[in-house]
Amino acid sequence: DAEITQSPRHKITETGRQVTLACHQTWNHNNMFWYRQDLGHGLRLIHYSYGVQDTNKGEVSDGYSVSRSNTEDLPLTLESAASSQTSVYFCASSESSGGSYNEQFFGPGTRLTVL
Amino acid sequence: AQSVSQHNHHVILSEAASLELGCNYSYGGTVNLFWYVQYPGQHLQLLLKYFSGDPLVKGIKGFEAEFIKSKFSFNLRKPSVQWSDTAEYFCAVNPTGNEKLTFGTGTRLTIIP
Repeated sequence: DAEITQSPRHKITETGRQVTLACHQTWNHNNMFWYRQDLGHGLRLIHYSYGVQDTNKGEVSDGYSVSRSNTEDLPLTLESAASSQTSVYFCASSESSGGSYNEQFFGPGTRLTVL
Repeated sequence: AQSVSQHNHHVILSEAASLELGCNYSYGGTVNLFWYVQYPGQHLQLLLKYFSGDPLVKGIKGFEAEFIKSKFSFNLRKPSVQWSDTAEYFCAVNPTGNEKLTFGTGTRLTIIP
């Protein structure tokens, strides 16, 4: 069965360190998304990609970067981790809809703690 | 830019009670609407979706939602809740032709046995 996986599932790091969260999907979806989930804010979009070599900033992109070198993977990098980036991170993917509708499928999440 | 409001932050109900969770969005054009559920410790799963046609949509586990265009609303309902419905519920919207979803802040539902 197709799926979307994230690793690691839990991560503790220190302020200032670079951290990369992995996201891998076997749906062969063109669209991939990274969200962070915080109490009182719901899910907020960090970065997204509509295909290989395409990346775009979401509403909370400062301090984060992504790269898309193949269809299956969209790693999220925190260039210099800050305590404000302690959160649960979700990756999602969807098929290009061409203007119709597009269900997003979510990964299990990564809980990141920055000390 | 579109936005989604979920005014109920935490709802506590007894088993067998009826449920209605509010969702309002702000966007002037055609939209697709979704309700996602997140059970404790799990990832988000699609509960139901609306993109056209009958404004009353039925989802999994006995949930339904009604799209009222004039009120910009997409409220989630269930006639009789169960303890297993304890979860967080998120409403989301994307304008037709836009691949991105905008989520509401979520409603935590606690069902008391």
